[in-house]
Amino acid sequence: KAGVTQTPRYLIKTRGQQVTLSCSPISGHRSVSWYQQTPGQGLQFLFEYFSETQRNKGNFPGRFSGRQFSNSRSEMNVSTLELGDSALYLCASSLEPNYNEQFFGPGTRLTVL
Amino acid sequence: ILNVEQSPQSLHVQEGDSTNFTCSFPSSNFYALHWYRWETAKSPEALFVMTLNGDEKKKGRISATLNTKEGYSYLYIKGSQPEDSATYLCASITDSWGKLQFGAGTQVVVTP
Repeated sequence: KAGVTQTPRYLIKTRGQQVTLSCSPISGHRSVSWYQQTPGQGLQFLFEYFSETQRNKGNFPGRFSGRQFSNSRSEMNVSTLELGDSALYLCASSLEPNYNEQFFGPGTRLTVL
Repeated sequence: ILNVEQSPQSLHVQEGDSTNFTCSFPSSNFYALHWYRWETAKSPEALFVMTLNGDEKKKGRISATLNTKEGYSYLYIKGSQPEDSATYLCASITDSWGKLQFGAGTQVVVTP
């Protein structure tokens, strides 16, 4: 069974631009969560999608948004990029939401210059 | 702000030695605790999902215990091997929506 895939793996953008990251969950998994990791911080929860609906959101500004498609693939978008958005963005999938172990993708390393 | 705290931040272990480290989390509104292992250049990998007070789980040489009343979990590595070198993350769920809140991790380095 293929694991969680994320594209692109690396991305360099400049301040003010926007970016879209993609995540394909494990086949059959319907819940997708997104996390941000910056140096010195733990994984910070961004949002979770299940059945194309955002069911949970972390404490991030509205510049961070996401969506989920009918095939459970998910995208997250960051608009008006700031230097502080430079981070590793991980997505994770699980069969169902609530308490199930999560399977993580390799991450997208975003650098904002 | 991390309500989930892990200690120590890092530790060095000699091959063959056993070690353990702690995850502290809010004891109120507890739903579940996750442990993940994150090796360099790889994705975090789930080790355990624990939900009941007194739970003990084991996977090979790694085991974990859970005390939900006092809000802590221990992870043990018995007879550490170099391949155990990784950052170990714990995450608690304290709301019914299942939102995971991660600690900053304990980095374990096992030297031969």
